[in-house]
Amino acid sequence: EDKVVQSPLSLVVHEGDTVTLNCSYEVTNFRSLLWYKQEKKAPTFLFMLTSSGIEKKSGRLSSILDKKELSSILNITATQTGDSAIYLCAVEEVEYGNKLVFGAGTILRVKS
Amino acid sequence: ETGVTQTPRHLVMGMTNKKSLKCEQHLGHNAMYWYKQSAKKPLELMFVYNFKEQTENNSVPSRFSPECPNSSHLFLHLHTLQPEDSALYLCASRVDRGTYGYTFGSGTRLTVV
Repeated sequence: EDKVVQSPLSLVVHEGDTVTLNCSYEVTNFRSLLWYKQEKKAPTFLFMLTSSGIEKKSGRLSSILDKKELSSILNITATQTGDSAIYLCAVEEVEYGNKLVFGAGTILRVKS
Repeated sequence: ETGVTQTPRHLVMGMTNKKSLKCEQHLGHNAMYWYKQSAKKPLELMFVYNFKEQTENNSVPSRFSPECPNSSHLFLHLHTLQPEDSALYLCASRVDRGTYGYTFGSGTRLTVV
């Protein structure tokens, strides 16, 4: 059965800290890995990764995929209280190209 | 707003009630999804529709009944639910096999009493 595992489950840091969130997956025919941020209700799209070793960046957030290790990390530098959210990792398979399998998420809390 | 609108935002219903959740998008997306999000559990895929055709039913109990009358609207009809069905129900849409992930609605917070 396909599985997406995120770690840590929760994390508390202080403003200005750098955090690294992890996602590992086991799927049969990998197509892409996606990261989402969920603050209140609607998860918002952050990154879509398909190629190994290529970092995607958006401001203080960056992410990279390692297909050999079947994993991805999401980095947030100089964290702010507005970064407090649940960060969701999801994986898409080739055969089921329209279905995303989600991990349980990492709850990040940034204290001022 | 994300472009995917869900109504109602909150719903409390008894176990014998019948209610419907609505999802609407005018983003030109042709794939639509229902997900269930329970506390401390991963988002669970319930149903997938592509071009109005249901392409996946992820072993969802028959007390949940989806309907997709056109590419812009998706409904989830609920009847005789159980308290464990209380959760956040999220609708999402996407261009079929697009390069940008889903666009999610804000969800309906359902409480079954």
